[in-house]
Amino acid sequence: DAGVIQSPRHEVTEMGQEVTLRCKPISGHNSLFWYRQTMMRGLELLIYFNNNVPIDDSGMPEDRFSAKMPNASFSTLKIQPSEPRDSAVYFCASSRQGFPYEQYFGPGTRLTVT
Amino acid sequence: SQKIEQNSEALNIQEGKTATLTCNYTNYSPAYLQWYRQDPGRGPVFLLLIRENEKEKRKERLKVTFDTTLKQSLFHITASQPADSATYLCAPEGNAGNMLTFGGGTRLMVKP
Repeated sequence: DAGVIQSPRHEVTEMGQEVTLRCKPISGHNSLFWYRQTMMRGLELLIYFNNNVPIDDSGMPEDRFSAKMPNASFSTLKIQPSEPRDSAVYFCASSRQGFPYEQYFGPGTRLTVT
Repeated sequence: SQKIEQNSEALNIQEGKTATLTCNYTNYSPAYLQWYRQDPGRGPVFLLLIRENEKEKRKERLKVTFDTTLKQSLFHITASQPADSATYLCAPEGNAGNMLTFGGGTRLMVKP
């Protein structure tokens, strides 16, 4: 298995632009998680899905952030409009649903908003 | 609110010694706790899971303890090697489902 795939790996954009991050979970995993990691705040859960349905989005910082999972093999995290404080590494992770199975993380997308 | 504390200062030890990392949590009682390793520029990688009814869990040179009275988990690496140098994150159960809440991580440096 290729593991969790994220794209792009690096994104540099100007303030006010729309940013879309993409994730392909491991095949057969029913749960998908989006995290944001910064030096100041560590690894924060933004939103997670079970069977493509958003279960908890309480970590989404503002209405500028939105996430979708149209099918079991694809999810997007969108920021519009982007701001410099959104600069961080964004990770996608997937796991089997149910008992607390371990989460498999992707390589992350490093986002820089100037 | 839930609070998870890991020593933010780096832990420097000599090769061959045992490294002990601490994870303290407050204001809730997680049913399980996971430990992850993160190398620079990479996503975290799962190491071990321990449930509240398990006092100790081992995997090769790794050992984790879970003291629900003290609200603390200890992570040990015996016979440490320079390749063990990384940041280690503890992740107790989150609010619901299979969510996790991650601590800030402790950076371990093993010197040859």
